[in-house]
Amino acid sequence: KQEVTQIPAALSVPEGENLVLNCSFTDSAIYNLQWFRQDPGKGLTSLLLIQSSQREQTSGRLNASLDKSSGRSTLYIAASQPGDSATYLCAVGSSGSARQLTFGSGTQLTVLP
Amino acid sequence: EAGVAQSPRYKIIEKRQSVAFWCNPISGHATLYWYQQILGQGPKLLIQFQNNGVVDDSQLPKDRFSAERLKGVDSTLKIQPAKLEDSAVYLCASGGYYNEQFFGPGTRLTVL
Repeated sequence: KQEVTQIPAALSVPEGENLVLNCSFTDSAIYNLQWFRQDPGKGLTSLLLIQSSQREQTSGRLNASLDKSSGRSTLYIAASQPGDSATYLCAVGSSGSARQLTFGSGTQLTVLP
Repeated sequence: EAGVAQSPRYKIIEKRQSVAFWCNPISGHATLYWYQQILGQGPKLLIQFQNNGVVDDSQLPKDRFSAERLKGVDSTLKIQPAKLEDSAVYLCASGGYYNEQFFGPGTRLTVL
């Protein structure tokens, strides 16, 4: 059974700092990995999708990497802003035909002005 | 492109009452998911549909939860009777290309 862990559970940084959020998973036989953002009281917004054959994806100030062999992914946020404050969730897609996502518990990020 | 729609956004009920949630996925998406998210945790899959057929409902508490997706488009999730531990956010998602999942705003359920 796939298990996904996100460390730290909470992170507070000053505005402008570059930061890295970590995600680890136990079963390397994955189909894809997706990073989401969740604002309080809202649904999940997809940030980046990495297919199992890819090593990284970039969107604006966000860069996500994937190392299947070590069971790790990182989300790099450059030049953080107060508007980046949210919970960031990592979800691993199974390689089975159902292609289901297993989520971590998230990292709650606060960017201080 | 319109996103995933869900209603209601909030619901407060007494324990042992029944409640239903509605979801309309992104047009053309064949796969639809219902998740339960308890405060402080990541979403947990309850049921997955492919068109109007069930792919996986292994984590759905079938003694009280039911879901259907008639005509392969809209879906409803029902809880009857509700328990206190059912208090959570219920999220609907639909699957697009490369199985990227897109989520609706969720329904926050409080059971008193």
